[in-house]
Amino acid sequence: EPEVTQTPSHQVTQMGQEVILRCVPISNHLYFYWYRQILGQKVEFLVSFYNNEISEKSEIFDDQFSVERPDGSNFTLKIRSTKLEDSAMYFCASSSGRGQETQYFGPGTRLLVL
Amino acid sequence: AQSVTQLGSHVSVSEGALVLLRCNYSSSVPPYLFWYVQYPNQGLQLLLKYTTGATLVKGINGFEAEFKKSETSFHLTKPSAHMSDAAEYFCAVTLLREGGKLIFGQGTELSVKP
Repeated sequence: EPEVTQTPSHQVTQMGQEVILRCVPISNHLYFYWYRQILGQKVEFLVSFYNNEISEKSEIFDDQFSVERPDGSNFTLKIRSTKLEDSAMYFCASSSGRGQETQYFGPGTRLLVL
Repeated sequence: AQSVTQLGSHVSVSEGALVLLRCNYSSSVPPYLFWYVQYPNQGLQLLLKYTTGATLVKGINGFEAEFKKSETSFHLTKPSAHMSDAAEYFCAVTLLREGGKLIFGQGTELSVKP
């Protein structure tokens, strides 16, 4: 069964460093998403991406964040200068459509900023 | 803006007992509703969803949920709990016009006692 994959599973970085989180969505999906979950809090929407551009982004997704689909398979989230409060589990998801279509989630990348 | 409230961050049941996980939503228009499950160290997996039509929806692993518009609820039930049901459960809502982003509740951790 097709699945969303994410790398790395864990990443530790120093405050101020850049990190890139990678995701490989399900191959025939067209919509891509990033969510995050700070420890003990709810899963929060960051950004959605369709047709090579951002469809929607949350207030969390400021200028320090960017997304890219550099080739036909990868979907990346870049944090330019990490802050302590960026420590969280980051989930990638993909779907074949919007709204009622199921979003399939990857296993997540746990990011720890020291 | 829409929101989701899950009553009870922790629910504990005995094996074989009824599972009831509560979810209430707030939305100005009819939403699409989802239940996801997260097993330890894994991503979120769809249990079931309501889009249109029959208000009682059945999902995987014997779970079902009923959409009650008058109560703005989408509670998740399972007649008989199994040890393997121990996990974190998330209720989520989305609106087609919002571009498909999922708004999650805070999650309910289900424990199953032998």
